[in-house]
Amino acid sequence: GAVVSQHPSRVICKSGTSVKIECRSLDFQATTMFWYRQFPKQSLMLMATSNEGSKATYEQGVEKDKFLINHASLTLSTLTVTSAHPEDSSFYICSAIRQGVSYNEQFFGPGTRLTVL
Amino acid sequence: AQKITQTQPGMFVQEKEAVTLDCTYDTSDPSYGLFWYKQPSSGEMIFLIYQGSYDQQNATEGRYSLNFQKARKSANLVISASQLGDSAMYFCALGPPRGQNFVFGPGTRLSVLP
Repeated sequence: GAVVSQHPSRVICKSGTSVKIECRSLDFQATTMFWYRQFPKQSLMLMATSNEGSKATYEQGVEKDKFLINHASLTLSTLTVTSAHPEDSSFYICSAIRQGVSYNEQFFGPGTRLTVL
Repeated sequence: AQKITQTQPGMFVQEKEAVTLDCTYDTSDPSYGLFWYKQPSSGEMIFLIYQGSYDQQNATEGRYSLNFQKARKSANLVISASQLGDSAMYFCALGPPRGQNFVFGPGTRLSVLP
């Protein structure tokens, strides 16, 4: 299958700092990428849809100014958690969409575990 | 609105036995796709199998098969000959085949016993 990388895999930061997470599709171009958040023992919660060359579409309840998304190229989307606080600690997962023969395939990155002290 | 239900928070199965993980869904779209993903403790989501609403046959991928009952709106995952490495969270997801809006179920934690 296709490969999606995510960096960093783990980050610990102090409250008030900003953290940038990169999501890259390594062997295909992705016009659409998704950013999810996952709390322990829970399902994935879609935060936003990242479209190359346009503004991200945020889900209801997700703060746009808090979670900045930039889809600068067909292989890279970034999520910046601005002024992070302990409640932002979570597992963040990105995915990239590739058009398959009969359906769109969604490939996930390995995730980033953010801990805000 | 689209909705996915997985009624089994946790399941146990003996190694080498088969296990069925339940998934029911609700959608008003005539064309949709059902996806199953595996999430081991490492956190990465691994795609397992896909079933399209218009597919005539149930999907199969190696030890994974999908028991698709359209009238009952269920898409249960069957894992045959369970292995210890199958222990993980399993998520059922619903979305348009060519769309972008995926909805995930709450997941089922499968534990394979030696």
